[in-house]
Formats: sequence, structure tokens, C-alpha cells
Amino acid sequence: KAGVTQTPRYLIKTRGQQVTLSCSPISGHRSVSWYQQTPGQGLQFLFEYFSETQRNKGNFPGRFSGRQFSNSRSEMNVSTLELGDSALYLCASSSGTLGGNEQFFGPGTRLTVL
Amino acid sequence: TQLLEQSPQFLSIQEGENLTVYCNSSSVFSSLQWYRQEPGEGPVLLVTVVTGGEVKKLKRLTFQFGDARKDSSLHITAAQPGDTGLYLCAGRNAGNNRKLIWGLGTSLAVNP
Repeated sequence: KAGVTQTPRYLIKTRGQQVTLSCSPISGHRSVSWYQQTPGQGLQFLFEYFSETQRNKGNFPGRFSGRQFSNSRSEMNVSTLELGDSALYLCASSSGTLGGNEQFFGPGTRLTVL
Repeated sequence: TQLLEQSPQFLSIQEGENLTVYCNSSSVFSSLQWYRQEPGEGPVLLVTVVTGGEVKKLKRLTFQFGDARKDSSLHITAAQPGDTGLYLCAGRNAGNNRKLIWGLGTSLAVNP
């Protein structure tokens, strides 16, 4: 069974731009969660989607948004990028609701904002 | 705000040594997970502990959940260079939202 895939793996943007990251969960998994990871803050929960509906949301500004498609693939978008948005963005899939009991992480997208 | 504190933050040891890392909180969790993350990769789940006082073993790794389900420890016996990585603990909120609360991690380097 293929694992969680994220594209692109690396991305360099400048302040003010917007970015879209993509995540394909493990086949059959309906829950996708997004995290931001930085050395100082660790993993910060962004949001979780289940069957195309946002089920949970973290404490991030409205510049961060996401969606999930009928095939469970998910995208997250960050608008008006700031330097502090530089981070590793991780996607995790699981079979159940509210994150399920086990999350499988993708390799992440490393975003650098200049 | 629920917090999970991990200690130590950094650890550098020689191959063959034993080590223990800790994950502490003032909050009660319904379960606690340990992950290992290698550079350039996402975290990989090692174990989930659910019952207070529970001990689980994974080869040379021993995980314990505190009796009150507020803390956990990970002990590695005879560490090997392949154990190098970032060890993260994550507690699942006992409330309705069941969110995962993450620690900042312990960065372990095992030198040959």
C-alpha cells in the first residue's frame, strides 16, 4: 500500500505570495490532518478534514485554509506569505474520524519564504 | 492550554549507552503516542499507550505511561546509530475534540 505523498517537497516563495500544497492520503483513508513544524514551536495543528468537511481547526490565522476532495486528496493554501510561515508542512492521514488512533505522515513540504 | 514538555531537548551519546527521555504534562490524556522523525521525513509512530501504568516494549525501546496518564518515558537500551532522530510524544486530549497535543521533541544523536 502506497504511503502518504506530498507535493512539492520543496518550495521557495517571497513575502506576499501565496502557495498551495497537496497531499494524497493512503488509499482508503478518509481523514487528512495538516501540521506546521518549526524548530521553536514543534508540530502545530492546522486543521483536519474528513469526508470533505473540516472537522477540527487549530489556532492559525485565516490566511491558512484547506480543502478536501471527494477522493480524499487534500490541499492547503497560504495566502499573503510572511517570513514566519517558513516551515515544514506535514500531512497525516488516518482511517477514522477526529484523527483516528494512528496517523501516517507524509515526508512534508519544506516551505521557505524569502 | 495543554502542554507536553519533553526532556532533554538534545542528547548526544555513544553507541551502546542507555538513555531515557521524558514527556510530562499537568493534563490527563486518554492516550499517548511516541513518534520518531528522521531528517527530511515525517514522524513515524512507534507506540501508543492507553492505560495508566502501561509498559510496552519494542525491541530495545521501552515505553511507560504514568499511572495518572499525565506523563510518559521512553528508555532505549544499548543505543545504536540507527536510533538517531527526533523523538516526539503526542497526547490525545481526553475531551470531546480529541486533538493531539505535541511535545517539541528530543533530538537524539548516537555516535558510533
